[in-house]
Amino acid sequence: NAGVTQTPKFQVLKTGQSMTLQCAQDMNHEYMSWYRQDPGMGLRLIHYSVGAGITDQGEVPNGYNVSRSTTEDFPLRLLSAAPSQTSVYFCASSSGGGIGTQYFGPGTRLLVL
Amino acid sequence: AQSVTQLDSQVPVFEEAPVELRCNYSSSVSVYLFWYVQYPNQGLQLLLKYLSGSTLVKGINGFEAEFNKSQTSFHLRKPSVHISDTAEYFCAVLGTGGGADGLTFGKGTHLIIQP
Repeated sequence: NAGVTQTPKFQVLKTGQSMTLQCAQDMNHEYMSWYRQDPGMGLRLIHYSVGAGITDQGEVPNGYNVSRSTTEDFPLRLLSAAPSQTSVYFCASSSGGGIGTQYFGPGTRLLVL
Repeated sequence: AQSVTQLDSQVPVFEEAPVELRCNYSSSVSVYLFWYVQYPNQGLQLLLKYLSGSTLVKGINGFEAEFNKSQTSFHLRKPSVHISDTAEYFCAVLGTGGGADGLTFGKGTHLIIQP
């Protein structure tokens, strides 16, 4: 099993550009989530999904969209990138919702100029 | 809503010495508690979790944590650390009412092992 994979590993964007961060898991987990990690801030939840077709907002959803058309994939879209979105983004999946062990991907480092 | 406070942003410890990383939480409901570890340039992985039952929880790599409801704490301990334990450690909490929404993480504690 590859576990949770994320692409790209690193991306540079200009302000106003859009992009999609990819996340895929091969463990048949229903629950998937996106976090951002900023220095001295820990991880903050952006969006989560409890299954295909179902998504909900987390703590910091503004500026991000998600969709869940399949169990395996949970892409995160930045509609119009801003410097405040410079961060490291982690995708995670779990078989037990928030209570289950979260399996994290390796992260995507995003720099918005 | 829940919140997590990790009082120490950095903890330097000599190799083979014991260590305690402190975590306090605030919540209006009962909680589940977690410790995750992040090695350099990697994602997070679960060290241990408290869901119910015994308040002393043992995890991977020789770590353990004790849930103290009266003090709203969940401190992480290891009796003898190794260089390989150098990492960022995150305490996290989840309210028991739902479970679908995500974890609330603390800001992390950087454990620095000195030879």
